[in-house]
Amino acid sequence: QSVLTQPPSASGTPGQRVTISCSGSNSNIASNTVNWYQQLPGTAPKLLIYNNNQRPSGVPDRFSGSKSGTSASLAISGLQSEDEADYYCTTWDDSLNGWVFGGGTKLTVL
Amino acid sequence: QVQLVQSGSELKKPGASVKVSCKASGYTFTDYAVNWVRQAPGQGLEWMGWINTDTGNPTYAQGFTGRFVFSLDTSVSTTYLQISSLRSEDTAVYFCARGSLAPSYGAFDIWGQGTMVPVSS
Repeated sequence: QSVLTQPPSASGTPGQRVTISCSGSNSNIASNTVNWYQQLPGTAPKLLIYNNNQRPSGVPDRFSGSKSGTSASLAISGLQSEDEADYYCTTWDDSLNGWVFGGGTKLTVL
Repeated sequence: QVQLVQSGSELKKPGASVKVSCKASGYTFTDYAVNWVRQAPGQGLEWMGWINTDTGNPTYAQGFTGRFVFSLDTSVSTTYLQISSLRSEDTAVYFCARGSLAPSYGAFDIWGQGTMVPVSS
Protein backbone atom coordinates (compact mmCIF):
# COMPACT_ATOMS: atom_id res chain seq x y z
CA GLN A 1 0.00 0.00 0.00
CA SER A 2 1.72 3.18 -1.20
CA VAL A 3 1.53 6.42 0.78
CA LEU A 4 0.77 8.33 -2.42
CA THR A 5 -2.13 7.14 -4.55
CA GLN A 6 -1.92 6.99 -8.34
CA PRO A 7 -4.25 5.30 -10.82
CA PRO A 8 -2.66 1.99 -11.88
CA SER A 9 -3.22 2.69 -15.56
CA ALA A 10 -3.91 5.43 -18.06
CA SER A 11 -4.19 5.47 -21.82
CA GLY A 12 -4.56 7.76 -24.79
CA THR A 13 -4.16 7.94 -28.53
CA PRO A 14 -1.31 9.74 -30.29
CA GLY A 15 -1.74 13.48 -30.11
CA GLN A 16 -4.11 13.38 -27.13
CA ARG A 17 -3.58 14.98 -23.73
CA VAL A 18 -3.41 12.68 -20.72
CA THR A 19 -3.23 13.51 -17.03
CA ILE A 20 -2.04 11.32 -14.18
CA SER A 21 -3.06 12.16 -10.64
CA CYS A 22 -1.18 11.69 -7.39
CA SER A 23 -3.03 11.98 -4.10
CA GLY A 24 -1.39 12.39 -0.72
CA SER A 25 -1.89 14.12 2.60
CA ASN A 26 -0.93 17.12 4.73
CA SER A 27 2.28 15.44 5.85
CA ASN A 28 3.61 14.92 2.34
CA ILE A 29 2.27 16.63 -0.80
CA ALA A 30 0.72 19.58 1.02
CA SER A 31 4.00 20.35 2.82
CA ASN A 32 6.66 19.53 0.24
CA THR A 33 7.38 19.71 -3.46
CA VAL A 34 6.50 16.88 -5.83
CA ASN A 35 8.73 15.17 -8.37
CA TRP A 36 7.77 12.86 -11.22
CA TYR A 37 9.79 10.07 -12.79
CA GLN A 38 9.38 8.22 -16.06
CA GLN A 39 10.48 4.59 -16.26
CA LEU A 40 10.67 3.05 -19.71
CA PRO A 41 10.50 -0.76 -19.81
CA GLY A 42 13.69 -2.37 -18.54
CA THR A 43 15.42 0.89 -17.71
CA ALA A 44 16.17 3.05 -14.69
CA PRO A 45 13.75 5.83 -13.74
CA LYS A 46 14.41 9.25 -15.23
CA LEU A 47 13.60 12.58 -13.59
CA LEU A 48 10.75 14.18 -15.55
CA ILE A 49 9.42 16.99 -13.31
CA TYR A 50 10.90 18.43 -10.13
CA ASN A 51 9.77 21.09 -7.68
CA ASN A 52 6.11 20.55 -8.73
CA ASN A 53 6.40 21.98 -12.23
CA GLN A 54 10.03 22.34 -13.32
CA ARG A 55 11.46 20.37 -16.24
CA PRO A 56 15.09 19.27 -16.28
CA SER A 57 17.06 20.18 -19.36
CA GLY A 58 16.11 17.92 -22.25
CA VAL A 59 12.59 17.08 -21.11
CA PRO A 60 10.09 18.22 -23.76
CA ASP A 61 7.60 20.91 -22.80
CA ARG A 62 4.83 18.43 -23.63
CA PHE A 63 5.31 17.30 -20.02
CA SER A 64 4.00 19.56 -17.25
CA GLY A 65 3.31 19.25 -13.56
CA SER A 66 1.06 20.98 -11.07
CA LYS A 67 0.16 20.76 -7.40
CA SER A 68 -2.79 21.90 -5.33
CA GLY A 69 -3.26 21.09 -1.68
CA THR A 70 -2.78 17.38 -1.10
CA SER A 71 -2.79 16.41 -4.79
CA ALA A 72 -0.50 16.72 -7.76
CA SER A 73 -0.86 15.98 -11.45
CA LEU A 74 1.32 15.19 -14.42
CA ALA A 75 0.01 16.20 -17.84
CA ILE A 76 1.33 14.93 -21.14
CA SER A 77 0.14 16.71 -24.25
CA GLY A 78 0.66 15.64 -27.85
CA LEU A 79 0.98 12.04 -26.72
CA GLN A 80 3.60 10.01 -28.60
CA SER A 81 4.25 6.28 -28.75
CA GLU A 82 7.58 6.72 -26.97
CA ASP A 83 5.71 8.10 -23.93
CA GLU A 84 4.51 4.57 -23.17
CA ALA A 85 6.08 3.96 -19.75
CA ASP A 86 5.47 3.82 -16.01
CA TYR A 87 5.18 7.15 -14.22
CA TYR A 88 5.82 7.69 -10.51
CA CYS A 89 5.16 10.67 -8.26
CA THR A 90 7.24 11.20 -5.14
CA THR A 91 7.64 13.66 -2.31
CA TRP A 92 9.06 13.93 1.18
CA ASP A 93 6.84 12.83 4.05
CA ASP A 94 7.34 14.82 7.26
CA SER A 95 5.72 12.15 9.44
CA LEU A 96 7.75 9.27 8.04
CA ASN A 97 10.84 11.47 7.69
CA GLY A 98 11.58 10.00 4.30
CA TRP A 99 10.73 9.93 0.60
CA VAL A 100 7.51 8.26 -0.45
CA PHE A 101 6.49 7.09 -3.90
CA GLY A 102 3.15 6.58 -5.57
CA GLY A 103 2.39 3.07 -6.76
CA GLY A 104 3.05 4.06 -10.35
CA THR A 105 0.83 4.54 -13.39
CA LYS A 106 1.31 2.48 -16.52
CA LEU A 107 0.63 4.67 -19.54
CA THR A 108 -0.44 2.93 -22.73
CA VAL A 109 -0.48 4.72 -26.06
CA LEU A 110 -3.24 3.11 -28.11
CA GLN B 1 29.51 13.02 -18.07
CA VAL B 2 27.69 12.83 -14.76
CA GLN B 3 26.79 9.23 -14.05
CA LEU B 4 26.34 6.51 -11.49
CA VAL B 5 27.51 3.05 -12.53
CA GLN B 6 26.43 0.05 -10.49
CA SER B 7 27.92 -3.42 -10.17
CA GLY B 8 26.49 -6.33 -12.10
CA SER B 9 23.69 -8.71 -11.23
CA GLU B 10 24.35 -11.42 -8.66
CA LEU B 11 22.40 -14.61 -8.03
CA LYS B 12 22.37 -15.43 -4.33
CA LYS B 13 21.11 -18.22 -2.12
CA PRO B 14 18.88 -17.59 0.90
CA GLY B 15 20.95 -16.71 3.94
CA ALA B 16 23.85 -15.31 1.94
CA SER B 17 24.96 -11.68 1.73
CA VAL B 18 25.40 -9.33 -1.20
CA LYS B 19 27.24 -6.04 -1.63
CA VAL B 20 26.16 -3.76 -4.46
CA SER B 21 28.40 -0.88 -5.51
CA CYS B 22 27.52 2.46 -7.05
CA LYS B 23 30.41 4.48 -8.53
CA ALA B 24 29.95 8.18 -9.18
CA SER B 25 31.77 10.18 -11.83
CA GLY B 26 31.56 13.57 -13.48
CA TYR B 27 30.83 15.57 -10.33
CA THR B 28 32.17 16.22 -6.83
CA PHE B 29 31.14 13.09 -4.96
CA THR B 30 30.73 14.72 -1.55
CA ASP B 31 28.44 17.49 -2.83
CA TYR B 32 25.47 15.15 -3.20
CA ALA B 33 23.78 12.38 -1.26
CA VAL B 34 23.22 8.89 -2.60
CA ASN B 35 19.83 7.30 -2.16
CA TRP B 36 18.92 3.63 -2.59
CA VAL B 37 15.64 2.52 -4.17
CA ARG B 38 14.27 -1.01 -4.45
CA GLN B 39 11.99 -2.35 -7.18
CA ALA B 40 10.64 -5.88 -6.73
CA PRO B 41 9.63 -7.75 -9.90
CA GLY B 42 6.57 -6.14 -11.44
CA GLN B 43 6.27 -3.70 -8.55
CA GLY B 44 6.80 0.00 -7.94
CA LEU B 45 9.66 2.01 -6.51
CA GLU B 46 10.44 1.90 -2.78
CA TRP B 47 12.86 4.28 -1.07
CA MET B 48 15.31 2.42 1.17
CA GLY B 49 17.19 5.37 2.61
CA TRP B 50 20.21 7.50 1.91
CA ILE B 51 23.80 8.14 2.85
CA ASN B 52 25.34 11.54 3.42
CA THR B 53 28.53 11.36 1.36
CA ASP B 54 30.01 14.32 3.25
CA THR B 55 29.69 12.81 6.75
CA GLY B 56 29.22 9.13 5.93
CA ASN B 57 26.04 9.07 8.03
CA PRO B 58 23.42 6.61 6.74
CA THR B 59 19.66 6.90 7.25
CA TYR B 60 17.37 3.92 6.72
CA ALA B 61 13.69 3.96 5.80
CA GLN B 62 11.17 1.94 7.77
CA GLY B 63 11.48 -1.68 6.79
CA PHE B 64 15.15 -1.40 5.88
CA THR B 65 16.84 -1.54 9.25
CA GLY B 66 18.97 -4.36 10.60
CA ARG B 67 19.94 -6.35 7.49
CA PHE B 68 20.68 -3.37 5.24
CA VAL B 69 23.86 -1.32 5.47
CA PHE B 70 24.92 1.70 3.43
CA SER B 71 28.62 2.57 3.32
CA LEU B 72 31.00 4.54 1.17
CA ASP B 73 34.61 4.91 0.07
CA THR B 74 35.22 8.53 -0.84
CA SER B 75 38.66 7.70 -2.26
CA VAL B 76 36.94 5.95 -5.18
CA SER B 77 33.66 7.94 -5.16
CA THR B 78 31.69 4.78 -4.47
CA THR B 79 28.79 3.93 -2.21
CA TYR B 80 27.75 0.43 -1.23
CA LEU B 81 24.58 -1.37 -0.27
CA GLN B 82 25.08 -4.56 1.71
CA ILE B 83 22.20 -6.90 2.46
CA SER B 84 22.73 -9.80 4.84
CA SER B 85 20.66 -12.92 5.58
CA LEU B 86 19.05 -12.70 2.15
CA ARG B 87 15.48 -13.91 1.73
CA SER B 88 13.47 -14.67 -1.38
CA GLU B 89 11.51 -11.46 -0.84
CA ASP B 90 14.73 -9.46 -1.26
CA THR B 91 14.67 -10.43 -4.94
CA ALA B 92 14.58 -7.06 -6.68
CA VAL B 93 16.43 -4.51 -8.76
CA TYR B 94 18.32 -2.09 -6.56
CA PHE B 95 18.97 1.43 -7.85
CA CYS B 96 21.23 4.13 -6.49
CA ALA B 97 20.22 7.71 -7.21
CA ARG B 98 21.87 11.09 -6.63
CA GLY B 99 20.03 13.48 -4.35
CA SER B 100 20.44 16.51 -2.15
CA LEU B 101 22.43 16.55 1.07
CA ALA B 102 19.40 18.32 2.52
CA PRO B 103 17.29 15.19 2.24
CA SER B 104 13.80 16.64 2.06
CA TYR B 105 14.71 18.89 -0.83
CA GLY B 106 15.53 18.44 -4.47
CA ALA B 107 15.07 15.33 -6.54
CA PHE B 108 16.87 12.21 -7.64
CA ASP B 109 18.38 13.63 -10.79
CA ILE B 110 20.87 10.92 -11.73
CA TRP B 111 20.21 7.18 -11.42
CA GLY B 112 22.40 4.13 -11.68
CA GLN B 113 21.42 1.49 -14.20
CA GLY B 114 20.18 -0.87 -11.49
CA THR B 115 21.51 -4.12 -10.07
CA MET B 116 19.34 -7.23 -10.16
CA VAL B 117 19.68 -9.47 -7.10
CA PRO B 118 17.74 -12.73 -7.50
CA VAL B 119 17.58 -14.79 -4.30
CA SER B 120 16.87 -18.44 -4.92
CA SER B 121 18.01 -21.83 -3.72
